[in-house]
Amino acid sequence: DAKTTQPPSMDCAEGRAANLPCNHSTISGNEYVYWYRQIHSQGPQYIIHGLKNNETNEMASLIITEDRKSSTLILPHATLRDTAVYYCIVKGNEKLTFGTGTRLTIIP
Amino acid sequence: DSGVTQTPKHLITATGQRVTLRCSPRSGDLSVYWYQQSLDQGLQFLIQYYNGEERAKGNILERFSAQQFPDLHSELNLSSLELGDSALYFCASSVDIAYNEQFFGPGTRLTVL
Repeated sequence: DAKTTQPPSMDCAEGRAANLPCNHSTISGNEYVYWYRQIHSQGPQYIIHGLKNNETNEMASLIITEDRKSSTLILPHATLRDTAVYYCIVKGNEKLTFGTGTRLTIIP
Repeated sequence: DSGVTQTPKHLITATGQRVTLRCSPRSGDLSVYWYQQSLDQGLQFLIQYYNGEERAKGNILERFSAQQFPDLHSELNLSSLELGDSALYFCASSVDIAYNEQFFGPGTRLTVL
């Protein structure tokens, strides 16, 4: 029972902003939205998380809609090294459950 | 570099054998998690330890066991290996018990022949 829905793949031109959508229409009030990415067979890397406010760090921005039913991860200036599978995860106090994610390919 | 180390990097063994995978968490992290990633199953949570105690179990087979030692390093023991156990095994650590921001190691690639 997947809690999130993500497109299976996306392309983005190098230097442009990459916007990765995630739908989580059944999210509960105490559940956070987490984003991780996995670069080819490496260990997943934490990117960012949020509850209801937009968040920004050195890697990315997370925009969560007011009804919290969807969110967008923004990589402001994508580079070739951002090519990876991006996982959107909704969690409260339970374990991280990784879905199939979005395979983002940065095009030179 | 996440600060989490795993050894060995690669392991090739035969069916029926037993192996031990080792993980050292980031300095200061008390929680250790083990995950299995195979081609057909994606990334699956196996088990969590917090400060030496088992805290949660996921899809871990009875042939698999783990422990966390007083110095907080952890070992995952896989026995009676089958072809289907071939996978990447990741260890992750976090400072707290609640599965929050986790830092993953580089993984151990296990091949069972």
